[in-house]
Amino acid sequence: QSVLTQPPSVSAAPGQQVAISCSGSSSNIGKNPVSWYQQLPGTAPKLLIYDNDKRPSGIPDRFSGSKSGTSATLGITGLQTGDEADYYCGTWDSSLRAGFVFGTGTKVTVL
Amino acid sequence: QVQLQESGPGLVKPSQTLSLTCTVSGDSISSGDYYWSWIRQPPGKGLEWIGYIYYTGSTFYSPSLKSRVAMSVDTSKNQFSLKLNSVTDADTAVYYCARGAGADSWGQGTLVTVSS
Repeated sequence: QSVLTQPPSVSAAPGQQVAISCSGSSSNIGKNPVSWYQQLPGTAPKLLIYDNDKRPSGIPDRFSGSKSGTSATLGITGLQTGDEADYYCGTWDSSLRAGFVFGTGTKVTVL
Repeated sequence: QVQLQESGPGLVKPSQTLSLTCTVSGDSISSGDYYWSWIRQPPGKGLEWIGYIYYTGSTFYSPSLKSRVAMSVDTSKNQFSLKLNSVTDADTAVYYCARGAGADSWGQGTLVTVSS
């Protein structure tokens, strides 16, 4: 049972934009930086965003991250068919030494 | 560029111990720059963090798996390992090793099926 809640799915047409929310609590998102991961079908996850809003080298600026209070958001602009994937947020949870926790995951569909 | 590769049996019998090794290339575990993590994903489901190990052998496990998990590191081989005992079919998953507590680089994953 994940402590970070994401919408099961979002969709948009090519070229449009989507926003994926990640809702947590004061013991996780409210206290620690958030990462976002992209998992293309049949592949391992890949880090997209770290420290709330930073992109690793090679990640296009179409992907952006933000955090406010106990929630975080991943934005994707200029949606491409290659963006169709599952997206997960993740962060540390300080309660009862819970460790790292992932969100429930969001499937992005490009219409 | 760092690369990680999981290896180990793809089939484990119920109640036995799952054992996996992650071989790291392109980075040195003993540099001390990163923790080294294990993460799993049951078929069709989301990601679950299992825990991490530091090159010194220091570990931090998920509370939900702590009683059954053991991780170890072999800096001479640039490898780290996972053992999960008393497995059930609920432990069937793709197991990933990753660099960093926040997983900035991942192995390709290996499917472990628990079945008699």
